[in-house]
Amino acid sequence: GDSVTQMEGPVTLSEEAFLTINCTYTATGYPSLFWYVQYPGEGLQLLLKATKADDKGSNKGFEATYRKETTSFHLEKGSVQVSDSAVYFCALSDPGSGNTGKLIFGQGTTLQVKP
Amino acid sequence: DSGVTQTPKHLITATGQRVTLRCSPRSGDLSVYWYQQSLDQGLQFLIQYYNGEERAKGNILERFSAQQFPDLHSELNLSSLELGDSALYFCASSGSSGGALRTDTQYFGPGTRLTVL
Repeated sequence: GDSVTQMEGPVTLSEEAFLTINCTYTATGYPSLFWYVQYPGEGLQLLLKATKADDKGSNKGFEATYRKETTSFHLEKGSVQVSDSAVYFCALSDPGSGNTGKLIFGQGTTLQVKP
Repeated sequence: DSGVTQTPKHLITATGQRVTLRCSPRSGDLSVYWYQQSLDQGLQFLIQYYNGEERAKGNILERFSAQQFPDLHSELNLSSLELGDSALYFCASSGSSGGALRTDTQYFGPGTRLTVL
């Protein structure tokens, strides 16, 4: 079945450091891929998405490229800020499941950025 | 603010009881999704409704049921509650763009934290 695997956390970085959070997936079709972020005490909000191979999603300095050959969608940011501290979820929506849009999530990666 | 509202924010109840969680989707969104977030299982898809009809089912227990009403709000009913049902329950909505749901952004509510004692 479909699945998403994220790197284990927590990830602790100093402000202005480079961030990479790895995400790989297994899917029957060609899924859409998403990164969602959850700040403490809040619901999830979309950070970025890519709906076909080689697409790059970007938002607020974060980027991720849909790599079909390596089934990956790694999240990167060149210079993190304390305000980026949150839990990051990689997710997929697989067309093989019909036009439902249901999301399959990775386990989440906690990012802590220290001043 | 995502535009998705969920009530109540917190719910504390006893084992064996029944509760109802309510969700109002964003204006114009036809699809409502329910997810459960727990420490041991992570974020799991439970069930989806689209314009009043059930569209997809995930890892939803038989003790749980949901419905979507003509005004598009949705309710998730949890019965015969067990300690293990304690979790954060999220509602999300999408589908106002008219395109494929698999590419749509889902907008999440703030969640209902259920504690079963």
